[in-house]
Amino acid sequence: AQSVTQPDIHITVSEGASLELRCNYSYGATPYLFWYVQSPGQGLQLLLKYFSGDTLVQGIKGFEAEFKRSQSSFNLRKPSVHWSDAAEYFCAVGASGGGADGLTFGKGTHLIIQP
Amino acid sequence: NAGVTQTPKFRVLKTGQSMTLLCAQDMNHEYMYWYRQDPGMGLRLIHYSVGEGTTAKGEVPDGYNVSRLKKQNFLLGLESAAPSQTSVYFCASSIRPRVFEQYFGPGTRLTVT
Repeated sequence: AQSVTQPDIHITVSEGASLELRCNYSYGATPYLFWYVQSPGQGLQLLLKYFSGDTLVQGIKGFEAEFKRSQSSFNLRKPSVHWSDAAEYFCAVGASGGGADGLTFGKGTHLIIQP
Repeated sequence: NAGVTQTPKFRVLKTGQSMTLLCAQDMNHEYMYWYRQDPGMGLRLIHYSVGEGTTAKGEVPDGYNVSRLKKQNFLLGLESAAPSQTSVYFCASSIRPRVFEQYFGPGTRLTVT
């Protein structure tokens, strides 16, 4: 079964600084990878996804993520964060090998933006 | 196009009371999911459905029941609420499982006292 690890529970970044959120997955074949963002009191919104092809994926709100098969990672990056980026971020993995039970989510990383 | 909607947004129950959470989607998705979100635990799958009239257990199904009588609706029931069921509940839908992204509703915050 697949699994997702987000090693950082909390991350604090100054406004305008760069950001990298880590995500490691465990899955035997090529995974389908997703990053979601959850603003306070809101549902989850999809930031970006990777299915195949180019390993650098662009998403909404200026985010990007890079798939590295050798490291089983799918880290999320943003060159310059804004105060509005403060939120909870979830990495998720899907699989093409069948099963209807949907995506497997990491436990999330809480991003705090310092002024 | 409202996407995924959930009612109610907030609810407070006393231990032993029952209630039903309603999820509706207007995207004609076959697959629907109920999750609960607790601090430090991420999202945990309660039940899911692969189509009208079908349901299946997820990771944490105990204490919950579901029904999918219509394709666009997925109901989550608590027959006898317990304080351990205090959580935020999210519904999601998808075109296909695992391959395509899930679309989430805004959530229901449930407190059981």
